[in-house]
Amino acid sequence: DIQMTQSPASLSASLGETVTIECRASEDIYSNLAWYQQKPGNSPQLLIYDANSLADGVPSRFSGSGSGTQYSLKINSLQSEDVASYFCQQYNNYPDTFGAGTKLELK
Amino acid sequence: QVQLQQCGAELVKPGTPVKMSCKVSGYTFTSYVISWIKQTTGQGLEWIGYIYPESGSTGYNEKFKGKATLTVDKSSNTAFMQLSSLAAGDSAVYYCARSGLWDYFDYWGQGVMVTVSS
Repeated sequence: DIQMTQSPASLSASLGETVTIECRASEDIYSNLAWYQQKPGNSPQLLIYDANSLADGVPSRFSGSGSGTQYSLKINSLQSEDVASYFCQQYNNYPDTFGAGTKLELK
Repeated sequence: QVQLQQCGAELVKPGTPVKMSCKVSGYTFTSYVISWIKQTTGQGLEWIGYIYPESGSTGYNEKFKGKATLTVDKSSNTAFMQLSSLAAGDSAVYYCARSGLWDYFDYWGQGVMVTVSS
């Protein structure tokens, strides 16, 4: 199985700040990577697919980048509604695997 | 709008099975794959398997073979997952989610919290 190593596990940032979350795959996943946001009590919601494509309705302050084994999610100008957990997922090989998540809080 | 509806919670005794449903609306059921995903605090998110409603073909994570069985009822646009012989480690939130084949999950159900307890 492809291992997804996500960092940091938790992150504290101020409103308006830019934050970056990283995901490293144990082998090349050819940009077959998605990012999800999950707020407490809710199901995950798709933010980014194919490493850098913004899902419908997602604010443009979210962006994804990367290739090969290294990927990142950037949130520009952090808003209070961005407080959530974030997960990466590779879908290059079955079984699909997820990162362990990053919990984002406000400082 | 696309919706995947799941029932809220199940309390089940150890050793018994549970069958949960995922009723979809707002799109053609047979045109997309339905996957099932387990979420626990300790293990995070784990993909259990997928079913393609058009053909009924399935694929399972090796870890869940023998534990999960995926089926569909095309007449009611509903996907089902049965978990067998439940144990404490099966306590989790279980989500259904829609995707294309070899693809990301663009819509998720609200999840079913399964608690295994005597």
